[in-house]
Amino acid sequence: DAKTTQPTSMDCAEGRAANLPCNHSTISGNEYVYWYRQIHSQGPQYIIHGLKNNETNEMASLIITEDRKSSTLILPHATLRDTAVYYCIVRVGYGGATNKLIFGTGTLLAVQP
Amino acid sequence: DAGITQSPRHKVTETGTPVTLRCHQTENHRYMYWYRQDPGHGLRLIHYSYGVKDTDKGEVSDGYSVSRSKTEDFLLTLESATSSQTSVYFCAISARLAGDSYNEQFFGPGTRLTVL
Repeated sequence: DAKTTQPTSMDCAEGRAANLPCNHSTISGNEYVYWYRQIHSQGPQYIIHGLKNNETNEMASLIITEDRKSSTLILPHATLRDTAVYYCIVRVGYGGATNKLIFGTGTLLAVQP
Repeated sequence: DAGITQSPRHKVTETGTPVTLRCHQTENHRYMYWYRQDPGHGLRLIHYSYGVKDTDKGEVSDGYSVSRSKTEDFLLTLESATSSQTSVYFCAISARLAGDSYNEQFFGPGTRLTVL
């Protein structure tokens, strides 16, 4: 089973920041937190990942608590096209070797006009 | 999109028939993966490959086999399809983003398989 817990669904108003929480209380010291999203009928799309520091890229920001037991994905200005299922994943294995990902059921983010 | 294509995109078949799904990539990536996605389960790993002729099982490998005779193609075979294998199948490759020290996974468009 996935080692993360996410709310089943969330709503966000268009143009506002969307904050998606994730709990990963059993995360190991060398495990990364990854976020993917899946827009309806498409393959999952990589968003961002981090280990302990906060991270930002052109899509989103990732805030990881100091104890690393939870994190928040932030979409700063949500648009209707951000409506998707968002998956928080704790990486199994080391990059380059198996790189296996274990997906949970994710959070359905509905951006409202 | 990391140059990943899947074929067929849709297939309807009958119980007991063999089915092969193809994943094709154009960028010479070493690692490839097959997942299935069902309501209430998210994506689950079926098999993966870490090179030509090198494959290993994922968490839901029963009833599936894979082959990788060349880098660009990773085939998933259902020897005798069952209704429980009705699902959406996604192929993925592992590639490193510019400036990153770890590989990320990039997914194909998916194949919707219905077993009657």
